[in-house]
Amino acid sequence: GAGVSQSPSNKVTEKGKDVELRCDPISGHTALYWYRQSLGQGLEFLIYFQGNSAPDKSGLPSDRFSAERTGGSVSTLTIQRTQQEDSAVYLCASSLGGRERDQPQHFGDGTRLSIL
Amino acid sequence: AQTVTQSQPEMSVQEAETVTLSCTYDTSESDYYLFWYKQPPSRQMILVIRQEAYKQQNATENRFSVNFQKAAKSFSLKISDSQLGDAAMYFCAYRSAFRGGSGGSNYKLTFGKGTLLTVNP
Repeated sequence: GAGVSQSPSNKVTEKGKDVELRCDPISGHTALYWYRQSLGQGLEFLIYFQGNSAPDKSGLPSDRFSAERTGGSVSTLTIQRTQQEDSAVYLCASSLGGRERDQPQHFGDGTRLSIL
Repeated sequence: AQTVTQSQPEMSVQEAETVTLSCTYDTSESDYYLFWYKQPPSRQMILVIRQEAYKQQNATENRFSVNFQKAAKSFSLKISDSQLGDAAMYFCAYRSAFRGGSGGSNYKLTFGKGTLLTVNP
């Protein structure tokens, strides 16, 4: 079946602009994660959605970052007033969630964001 | 908070040879999962192998195996009979097995900074 889909694949924008990144998880997956991968670094957790529960926003680096998940499926990560340090690859992952603890996360191909 | 350390920024191996990638972690939890992910230039993170902390037996997946030393908090990946397609960035990752109060946020993955593996023909 289809995997995690992210769009756009690449995004170049000017400093100060707002950007929206989209993630379409695997059908039936209730858990959704956003991670950020800066150049030469590992992945850094940003935010987590599980079903209808309140999201865990503990990884968001500043109040310029926000995310929503509509209808328990597609998620949008929004970065307002972008800064050069926001340049990174933004990866989305989904998993079955629920009470089963052994749920591997499946990743999309990411969005490479470049701030000029 | 948990931390994951990969001390080898780069490694290289000859095709058909064996290579071991190192990973150490720090946690106060007793139950958790450890993972190795592979990231080729396509950027997609591909799960290579997974180990449950309460299992003594080291996980294996075809040419990939781990050496899990719980007391030493060490989790190395061994790739046997290396192939050109194994060339990629490899990330070690930790995940708690405990469900968080907010409903599962402990399931987030904590990653090391990665090891770039080159396979020479």
